Amino acid sequence: NAGVTQTPKFRVLKTGQSMTLLCAQDMNHEYMYWYRQDPGMGLRLIHYSVGEGTTAKGEVPDGYNVSRLKKQNFLLGLESAAPSQTSVYFCASSPSYSYNEQFFGPGTRLTVL
Amino acid sequence: AQRVTQPEKLLSVFKGAPVELKCNYSYSGSPELFWYVQYSRQRLQLLLRHISRESIKGFTADLNKGETSFHLKKPFAQEEDSAMYYCALLNSGNTPLVFGKGTRLSVIA
Repeated sequence: NAGVTQTPKFRVLKTGQSMTLLCAQDMNHEYMYWYRQDPGMGLRLIHYSVGEGTTAKGEVPDGYNVSRLKKQNFLLGLESAAPSQTSVYFCASSPSYSYNEQFFGPGTRLTVL
Repeated sequence: AQRVTQPEKLLSVFKGAPVELKCNYSYSGSPELFWYVQYSRQRLQLLLRHISRESIKGFTADLNKGETSFHLKKPFAQEEDSAMYYCALLNSGNTPLVFGKGTRLSVIA
């Protein structure tokens, strides 16, 4: 099993451009999450999903949109990228909250110029 | 609201010395606490959880409800312990894990 995979691994955008980050998991997990990791700020939850077709806002949702059309995929979109969105983005999945162990992807390093 | 505080951004210790990574939480109910670790060029992974009362790679952590703490300890640090460590809290409600800001541990040879 590949676990949690993320595409792309690196990306450079210009301010105002849009892009979509793809997260895929092959563990049949119900819950999926998107985090951003910034120096001194730790991991902050952007959006999460408790099942196919559902999404919810996390701590820092502004400027991002998500979709969970298929159970195994969780997409994170930036409609109009800003330099403040330069970060490392991590996707994670878990079977459920009660199980509580989250499995993380390798991360996507995004730079917005 | 639940909150996890890791007061040290960076902790440097010599190889063989004891190490303690501090974690304090704010939550009125009965939380579940975890430590996640991220080694260089690797993905974040679960290190241990308090309900298991386990020792992983020589690390232990005890939940102290009176002091609302969940400090991570190891009696003799190794160079391979150098990594980023995150404390995380799961409350009894239907919300995801809350992570602290992390502590970078550097073990000096």
